[in-house]
Amino acid sequence: SQQGEEDPQALSIQEGENATMNCSYKTSINNLQWYRQNSGRGLVHLILIRSNEREKHSGRLRVTLDTSKKSSSLLITASRAADTASYFCASNRGQGAQKLVFGQGTRLTINP
Amino acid sequence: NAGVTQTPKFQVLKTGQSMTLQCAQDMNHEYMSWYRQDPGMGLRLIHYSVGAGITDQGEVPNGYNVSRSTTEDFPLRLLSAAPSQTSVYFCASSSTWTGYDQPQHFGDGTRLSIL
Repeated sequence: SQQGEEDPQALSIQEGENATMNCSYKTSINNLQWYRQNSGRGLVHLILIRSNEREKHSGRLRVTLDTSKKSSSLLITASRAADTASYFCASNRGQGAQKLVFGQGTRLTINP
Repeated sequence: NAGVTQTPKFQVLKTGQSMTLQCAQDMNHEYMSWYRQDPGMGLRLIHYSVGAGITDQGEVPNGYNVSRSTTEDFPLRLLSAAPSQTSVYFCASSSTWTGYDQPQHFGDGTRLSIL
């Protein structure tokens, strides 16, 4: 069964606005990763946050992790049309290291 | 640098047919895996391999076989296709399986329809 639950399932905003996506998971994790999937393409790794980290930045991306609530959020600032994609969180429970468990994804649409 | 290459990109099969989905990576990655992506389900792990000659089952292995004779290649075989196997299949690789912080690199997928 899928460990990750993402919220919202779909998000539509205007270009230049910020987009926030949330992810919850059920068991303890070693790290949590976020991936982007453009239509018809494979997933691309965006950012990884370890279980002992609370916040991480990469360019216009900011990820937070709250292990007490078993949740993470991905913030994309100053959104662009090119950010239109599906975003997935993936939890690594440390069982064989690379056996990621993916959430169901958030479909983000940036309107010009 | 090709990364992870999957072939074919699209395939239509009849129920009961068998086929092999190909996956190759040119990054000398130790870890390779297969996922299926269904609407509203996210990605689910089918099989994975931590090195040549070593494979194991993931979350949804039934109806699929894998082998890994070389570091580069990790084919996925459908033994007798069923409509429930209609899905998009992704192959992914990672440099090691023991490193918790290694991102996975994905191919662009094979879109498979079973009639």
